[in-house]
Amino acid sequence: AQKITQTQPGMFVQEKEAVTLDCTYDTSDQSYGLFWYKQPSSGEMIFLIYQGSYDEQNATEGRYSLNFQKARKSANLVISASQLGDSAMYFCAMSLRRAGSYQLTFGKGTKLSVIP
Amino acid sequence: SQTIHQWPATLVQPVGSPLSLECTVEGTSNPNLYWYRQAAGRGLQLLFYSVGIGQISSEVPQNLSASRPQDRQFILSSKKLLLSDSGFYLCAWMKPTEAFFGQGTRLTVV
Repeated sequence: AQKITQTQPGMFVQEKEAVTLDCTYDTSDQSYGLFWYKQPSSGEMIFLIYQGSYDEQNATEGRYSLNFQKARKSANLVISASQLGDSAMYFCAMSLRRAGSYQLTFGKGTKLSVIP
Repeated sequence: SQTIHQWPATLVQPVGSPLSLECTVEGTSNPNLYWYRQAAGRGLQLLFYSVGIGQISSEVPQNLSASRPQDRQFILSSKKLLLSDSGFYLCAWMKPTEAFFGQGTRLTVV
């Protein structure tokens, strides 16, 4: 069965420091995608970064980078130079091809709090 | 560019009343559309998905139903709401490497 595990319910980071949010996944599929989303208190889901299973280089988007370790089935999100506006819930998700569509499975999330 | 609209933003409904949440997508054709529910402080649970007009797949048996009357319209419904239907509902549109979400509907059943 496909599963996403985020083991950190909550994290604290000092402003301007880097932080790593953990994500491990479980699937027997060879082709899959990994996403990270940010959800502020308003509830909207903001796309941060995507990594394909066949991508050899780690994805980067501005201050966000995805540390993809395929053999360990991990896809950790690294946020550099944290800002107060980074305080939010962060969700890791995996997409798999199923029955003509893409199924997106989410982890339970990590609540990040940035301390001034 | 592709956009996704979802309404209403908030809704307070009594137990036993009907529900209709609407989602529309612009800037694409034949999108894969999804309804997710998020309970307070939890992750997202997939409720329904649709790969085309009239094609609905249910992931979780429940008090809800979905319909896709037009290519870019996806509707979540209930004939009689339960207290347990309270939550944050999100519509999503997905391509292989991208998934876009609506603004969400916060439903409170009282």
